[in-house]
Amino acid sequence: EIVLTQSPGTLSLSPGERATLSCRASQSVSNNYLAWYQQKPGQAPRLLIWGASSRATGIPDRFSGSGSGTDFTLTISRLEPEDFAVYYCHQYESSPRTFGQGTKLEIK
Amino acid sequence: QVQLVQSGTEVKKPGASVKVSCKASGYTFTGHYLHWVRQAPGQGLEWMAWSDPGSGDTNYAQKFQGRVTVTRDTSISTAYMDLSRLGSDDTAVYYCARAGTVSGVPDALHIWGQGTMVTVFS
Repeated sequence: EIVLTQSPGTLSLSPGERATLSCRASQSVSNNYLAWYQQKPGQAPRLLIWGASSRATGIPDRFSGSGSGTDFTLTISRLEPEDFAVYYCHQYESSPRTFGQGTKLEIK
Repeated sequence: QVQLVQSGTEVKKPGASVKVSCKASGYTFTGHYLHWVRQAPGQGLEWMAWSDPGSGDTNYAQKFQGRVTVTRDTSISTAYMDLSRLGSDDTAVYYCARAGTVSGVPDALHIWGQGTMVTVFS
C-alpha cells in the first residue's frame, strides 16, 4: 500500500499570498498517477489536478501541480477567499487507492 | 450534464447492514469505473472499492473485505454499495465517484456524488 503524507497539516495564509502544499509517497507513484482535491465543509471533494500536473475542467490557472516519483506539490499562486478549504492528494496507480490525510488551508 | 445522485441519510443499529445507491446520468454508465470513498466526521477520505459497471468486476480494500459488496443495475444506471455488520466506527459520509473509462488507463475521480450520511448508533 502506498502511504501518502501531506504537509503541513495546517497552513495559515492571507488572501493574495502564495500557498505551497506537499504530498510525499512511501514509494514511487508511477506514471504520475497522483491527483489533488479540494473539499469545503459540507461538500463533496472536487478534483483540481490529475496526472500530477493537469488541471481538471473549469479549474482556474492559479492552481498548479508539479512533482514526480515520491514528491508532489500543489501550488496556489494568489489565494482567493474561496480557496480556503482542505486539500487532499490521492494516488490511483495501484490498489488500494489511497489518500493523504489532508492539509487545511486557513485564513490568517 | 454528468452527475451522480446518491440515496438519502440512513440511521442504523450496530450489527445491521446499509445499502447506498448511486444513480448516474449524462454519460454511458457501463463505460466508466465507479469508486466508493467514505469520510468519518472530521476525518479524511478513505477509499473502499472500485467497480466496473459493465462487467460487474469489483475490487475492495482489504479493510472491508467480507463486509462490503458493490453491485449494479445497468437498466437504471445505478450502482449500490452494501456494507454489513455495521459498527459505530462506520458512521461516515459515503461517496460514489466516477473515474476514467474502463478501457483506458487508471484515472482520478472526476465526478462525485453528493454523499450519503450513514449514522450507526444504538
